[in-house]
Amino acid sequence: DAGVIQSPRHEVTEMGQEVTLRCKPISGHDYLFWYRQTMMRGLELLIYFNNNVPIDDSGMPEDRFSAKMPNASFSTLKIQPSEPRDSAVYFCASSPGTSSADTQYFGPGTRLTVL
Amino acid sequence: SQQGEEDPQALSIQEGENATMNCSYKTSINNLQWYRQNSGRGLVHLILIRSNEREKHSGRLRVTLDTSKKSSSLLITASRAADTASYFCATGARGGSEKLVFGKGTKLTVNP
Repeated sequence: DAGVIQSPRHEVTEMGQEVTLRCKPISGHDYLFWYRQTMMRGLELLIYFNNNVPIDDSGMPEDRFSAKMPNASFSTLKIQPSEPRDSAVYFCASSPGTSSADTQYFGPGTRLTVL
Repeated sequence: SQQGEEDPQALSIQEGENATMNCSYKTSINNLQWYRQNSGRGLVHLILIRSNEREKHSGRLRVTLDTSKKSSSLLITASRAADTASYFCATGARGGSEKLVFGKGTKLTVNP
C-alpha cells in the first residue's frame, strides 16, 4: 500500500485566496483525520470522519475552514479566504478503527504558507 | 486542551547512550501511543500501550505506563544518529472515541 497520500506537498498563496488540500487515506481504513501543526500550538485535531461522515469538527478554527469526504478514498480540507495565521503544516491521517483510539497512519503533510 | 505533555522539550545525547522521554496526561485513558516525526515528515507510530499494561518492548524501545501517576516513559536504548527526531505521546480517552490528543513532543538529537 502507498500509505496516506496528500497533495500538494507545498502551497504558497496570498491572503484572501482559496486553498484546497487533498488526502487519499489507506484503502480499507474507516477513519480519516485532519490535523494542523504549528510551533506554537503543536499538533491540533481539526476534524475526523468515520465512514465518510464527519464525527467531530470541534477543532475547526472558524467558518473559513471546511472539510468534506465524498467517498472512502478522498477528502478535502478547504480554507476560504485564507489568512497568514493559517500558515502551518496540515496532516491527514487514517486508521482502520478496529479498536478504540486505534493507531493512526499519517501522510507526509502539506506545508501551507499564506503571504 | 492538550492531554499529553512531554518532558523534556529537548534532549541531546551521544550515540550509544540511552534516551528517556516522559509524558504526563490528565484524564483516564484507553491507551497511550508514542509516535516519531523526522524533520519535514509525517508522524510514524512506534508503540501502543493499553491502560491495563505496565510495560511494553519493541526492539530498542521500552515503554512504561503508570496510570496511578498518569504518566508514561519512552526509553530508547543504544541510541543511533538515525534516532534524531521529535517524539510525541498521544492519548486515547476512555469512552470509545477515536480521537488521539498529542503532546508538543520531545526533540531528540543524537550526536555521532
